Amino acid sequence: GAGVSQSPRYKVAKRGQDVALRCDPISGHVSLFWYQQALGQGPEFLTYFQNEAQLDKSGLPSDRFFAERPEGSVSTLKIQRTQQEDSAVYLCASSQGPLAAYNEQFFGPGTRLTVL
Amino acid sequence: AQSVTQPDIHITVSEGASLELRCNYSYGATPYLFWYVQSPGQGLQLLLKYFSGDTLVQGIKGFEAEFKRSQSSFNLRKPSVHWSDAAEYFCAVGARGSQGNLIFGKGTKLSVKP
Repeated sequence: GAGVSQSPRYKVAKRGQDVALRCDPISGHVSLFWYQQALGQGPEFLTYFQNEAQLDKSGLPSDRFFAERPEGSVSTLKIQRTQQEDSAVYLCASSQGPLAAYNEQFFGPGTRLTVL
Repeated sequence: AQSVTQPDIHITVSEGASLELRCNYSYGATPYLFWYVQSPGQGLQLLLKYFSGDTLVQGIKGFEAEFKRSQSSFNLRKPSVHWSDAAEYFCAVGARGSQGNLIFGKGTKLSVKP
């Protein structure tokens, strides 16, 4: 009965490094979301997948951010050439149905990224 | 544009006292409304949600919230706070017809005095 898991839980990167953050959603969940939570702020939407299709990437802050979910289960959020402003907690959430507005989103514990 | 405002950044209440956390939203139609709780090192956990129907919604852990359309509010309440309720609370709105991504407020941190 595992929930949403994310790895690594903590990541320290030097400015300019590339990082990859992994999300394992609840098995069978169709919808997957990535959110970014800066210190002292609420989560902000980054991108949404329905199965393997990325249907909304309007929240990605720049073209350095890229997300994929090639087989409709595990997802990876990649950040290229990290900058200090990328420091945040990255949250992944999944929900059962395709119309995620009607379904509860289950959140993972997040990956705390610190860029030095 | 949709937005959520949580006016109180930090609230301290005594254990056993009642609690009300405020949330105001901006949205053109009736939104989907949610309250989540986040404990340190934990993921966000859904406390309750409002989609339609009865405007008083019951959630887990003894929480309830009331949707008031005239005030664009969805305040969270609990009659008697326990020390374990200390956490950060987020109100969120989901747009009808959207893919389901949520717009969150900035959160209210709740501290509980013994």
